[in-house]
Amino acid sequence: KAGVTQTPRYLIKTRGQQVTLSCSPISGHRSVSWYQQTPGQGLQFLFEYFSETQRNKGNFPGRFSGRQFSNSRSEMNVSTLELGDSALYLCASSETGGVNTGELFFGEGSRLTVL
Amino acid sequence: GQSLEQPSEVTAVEGAIVQINCTYQTSGFYGLSWYQQHDGGAPTFLSYNALDGLEETGRFSSFLSRSDSYGYLLLQELQMKDSASYFCAVIEVGDDKIIFGKGTRLHILP
Repeated sequence: KAGVTQTPRYLIKTRGQQVTLSCSPISGHRSVSWYQQTPGQGLQFLFEYFSETQRNKGNFPGRFSGRQFSNSRSEMNVSTLELGDSALYLCASSETGGVNTGELFFGEGSRLTVL
Repeated sequence: GQSLEQPSEVTAVEGAIVQINCTYQTSGFYGLSWYQQHDGGAPTFLSYNALDGLEETGRFSSFLSRSDSYGYLLLQELQMKDSASYFCAVIEVGDDKIIFGKGTRLHILP
C-alpha cells in the first residue's frame, strides 16, 4: 500500500500570497487531518475531514481552510500569508479518524517558508 | 479542551532505559498514543493505550493511569537510532480530535 503523499514538499512564498497544499491519503482511508508543526510548539491541529465533510476544526484563523474530494484527497489553503505561517504542514490519514486504534498515518509534510 | 505536558528534552546513554512522561488535563479522552519523529521525517505511530496499564511492543512500552492523568513511554536497550522526538497524543471524547503534546527531544550519548 502506498503511504500518505503530500505535495509540494518544499515551497517559498512571500507575505500576502496564498498557498495550496495537497494530500493523498492511504487507499481506503476516509479521514484526513492537517497539523501545523513549528519548533517548540509540537503538532497543532488545524482541521479534520471525513467523507468530504469537515468534522473538526482547531483554533486557527479563517485564513486557513481546507476541503476533501470524493476520492478522499484533501487540500488545505492559506490565504494572505504571514511570516508566522512558516512551518511544516503535516497531513495524516486513517480509516475513521484514529478513535479505535489511536493511530494516524502521516505524510512527510510540506515545508512552507514565508519571506 | 486538552492540555498535555511533556519534558522538552531528555538525555540518556546508549544501552540504558529512559522514561518519557506525559501528563494531561482533559474532560474526557478515549486513549493515549505515542509517536516518534526523526529529524526531517514524518511522525510514526508507536503505541496506543485505551485502558490503564502497560502495553509492551519490543523494546518500547507505554503506560496509562487515568486516575493519575498520567502516562509514559519506556524505551529499553537504547540505540543511537532512537534519537528522535517523541509525542504523546490524546483523542478527545465528543469531537474525536487527536491532540498532540509539544514533544520530547531524546538525546542518546554513546
